[in-house]
Amino acid sequence: AQSVTQLDSHVSVSEGTPVLLRCNYSSSYSPSLFWYVQHPNKGLQLLLKYTSAATLVKGINGFEAEFKKSETSFHLTKPSAHMSDAAEYFCVVRGQAGTALIFGKGTTLSVSS
Amino acid sequence: ETGVTQSPTHLIKTRGQQVTLRCSSQSGHNTVSWYQQALGQGPQFIFQYYREEENGRGNFPPRFSGLQFPNYSSELNVNALELDDSALYLCASSRAEGEAFFGQGTRLTVV
Repeated sequence: AQSVTQLDSHVSVSEGTPVLLRCNYSSSYSPSLFWYVQHPNKGLQLLLKYTSAATLVKGINGFEAEFKKSETSFHLTKPSAHMSDAAEYFCVVRGQAGTALIFGKGTTLSVSS
Repeated sequence: ETGVTQSPTHLIKTRGQQVTLRCSSQSGHNTVSWYQQALGQGPQFIFQYYREEENGRGNFPPRFSGLQFPNYSSELNVNALELDDSALYLCASSRAEGEAFFGQGTRLTVV
C-alpha cells in the first residue's frame, strides 16, 4: 500500500533563510507524488507534482522538490523563506487504484522576522 | 481561488442527526472526491465519483454516502452523526486523474 511519512511536525525558520520539509514515501510501484499547502481558513493548493518525468520538480512560489528513488524521499525546499510561506504543508501520494490521494500528517512551517 | 465551492461553510449538528454537504465542481471537471480532515491531521479519502458513479472508497462506514449529479456537482451525506465526525470536510474536483482542485471546506461540529 502507498503511504507517506512527513518527518517533522513543525519547522521554524527565519525570513530569508532556506526551507526544508522532509517526506519519505512507500510505494510498490513508481508513485505520483505531490506537495500541497494549506493556509489558515483556506483550501488546499497544489505546490508541485512528480509524475515520473524529471526528478527535480519546480513548483509555484519558488518551491521545488527532488524525487530520490534510492532514498524513497521527496523533500520540499525553498532557497529563501518569506513570511507568507507560513502554513501547513502536506506531502501526498496517489493511491494504487488511481483515485485516492493519501496525505501525510502535515508539517507546520513557521517563519519569523 | 479555485472554482470549487462548498456549502455551507460551517454547521453544528447534534449526535444522531443526519447532514448533507454540497460541492460544486470546477467547470469541465467530471470527477469529485471527498476528504475528511480532523483537527491536526491530514485529509483522509472518503470516496470519489466519476460521471455519477462511485469509483473509489476509503475506510469509512456505509453511513457516509454520496451522490454526483449530471452537472457533476456532488453531495456528501452522513447519517447517525457521531462526535468523532466533527471535522473539516473537503471536496476536490478534477478531470479523471488530473490535478485535484480543492474547495475551502465545510467545518462540521457535532455536539
